[in-house]
Amino acid sequence: QVQLQQSGPGLVKPSQTLSLTCVISGDSVSSNSAAWNWIRQSPSGGLEWLGRTYYRSKWYNDYAASVKSRITFNPDTSKNQFSLQLNSVTPEDTAVYFCARVAATTGSFVNWGRGTLVTVSS
Amino acid sequence: DIVMTQSPDSLAVSLGERATINCKSSQSLFSSFNNKNHLAWYQQKPRQPPKLLIYWASTRESGVPDRFSGSGSGTDFTLTISSLQAEDVAVYYCQQYNNIPYTFGQGTKLEIK
Repeated sequence: QVQLQQSGPGLVKPSQTLSLTCVISGDSVSSNSAAWNWIRQSPSGGLEWLGRTYYRSKWYNDYAASVKSRITFNPDTSKNQFSLQLNSVTPEDTAVYFCARVAATTGSFVNWGRGTLVTVSS
Repeated sequence: DIVMTQSPDSLAVSLGERATINCKSSQSLFSSFNNKNHLAWYQQKPRQPPKLLIYWASTRESGVPDRFSGSGSGTDFTLTISSLQAEDVAVYYCQQYNNIPYTFGQGTKLEIK
């Protein structure tokens, strides 16, 4: 059974960098049949996909246009985890952040982390 | 980007009655690559992550009760709960995975009448 364990600070100051980590158990970050995603949910409830990282003989990343200039994903095979870095945050980045796994068999988000509420405030 | 529009925004149904939620996409979600519609449905309860209910528009995820069913093709899709139970109170989202960026509907809040 795949489980995703999220960690990271819940409060970030404006203009600083938001960093979250998702540790994977029950699968491998370098699996050829999975992709590893970050999704956030605004205080009003809307869900926004931020991007994905996946391995198919080499590493690929896809990012949402709304954050592409500020976001980086870093898979770490030695720790079987992947991380999110979002630079230059503003209060509009306040949200619950989820990591999620897409399995090739379903194409959809079959496993989710529990979520991390990140508040951007001074 | 593909825009996903759900209707209604909220819905109140009596216990044991049928609940129907609609989802419309701005582009077809049918892929000739695998002959499938790339549409999923999720259920989200307070303080929990979304839970996958349906994928490929009509395939029920393992462990999901059979009162949940998905239908539709192309741009129009429906989630049906055949006999509403108290534990089905939640917000339901549709999501397309035919194109990057993946996008979600705005959500439908389901309550007991």
